[in-house]
Amino acid sequence: KNQVEQSPQSLIILEGKNCTLQCNYTVSPFSNLRWYKQDTGRGPVSLTIMTFSENTKSNGRYTATLDADTKQSSLHITASQLSDSASYICVVSLYSNDYKLSFGAGTTVTVRA
Amino acid sequence: NAGVTQTPKFQVLKTGQSMTLQCAQDMNHEYMSWYRQDPGMGLRLIHYSVGAGITDQGEVPNGYNVSRSTTEDFPLRLLSAAPSQTSVYFCASSIGQGGGYTFGSGTRLTVV
Repeated sequence: KNQVEQSPQSLIILEGKNCTLQCNYTVSPFSNLRWYKQDTGRGPVSLTIMTFSENTKSNGRYTATLDADTKQSSLHITASQLSDSASYICVVSLYSNDYKLSFGAGTTVTVRA
Repeated sequence: NAGVTQTPKFQVLKTGQSMTLQCAQDMNHEYMSWYRQDPGMGLRLIHYSVGAGITDQGEVPNGYNVSRSTTEDFPLRLLSAAPSQTSVYFCASSIGQGGGYTFGSGTRLTVV
């Protein structure tokens, strides 16, 4: 069973609107939670990295939140742009080994004009 | 530009053939790893290395071999290709624990 579940699987939003992606994980204890953006045909690119003690981390129009008690994270995209169309992947690493990463299957976001 | 370079970008193999996927980074990162990405699934770790001369297995190592003779290079060898190895392969590097990962642009492999 995957230790990182993301929802929704896909979503479509209009340019300029906001959206929130969800990540539930069972990896415990964990050391870091990362969000990546993956454009079609490209490798993932890092958006945010949070340790287990952090609650929020921003990168421009991207804001990630973390609730370690409920084992949930979210990625909020503000004022979406066409270039935000991509897959967004949640990644959690083991506390004992930050090299062993568990990847979610991703949420595919499509931004339409 | 600094980063992770993977070659080839595309490859078609016949069942039973062997090949090596190349990965090189110029950021002096100690940690390097190989992943495969299949439709509807998250990336899965194949092998990783925490430094030259040190490698270890990940989640799905069967059918793959690695070595790390230099800090810069981390090739992935398919010993005898099988259709189940049809996938997109990504190489990644990191400065170390807690750091960000830089991914290559991927190799799309089809085994017929």
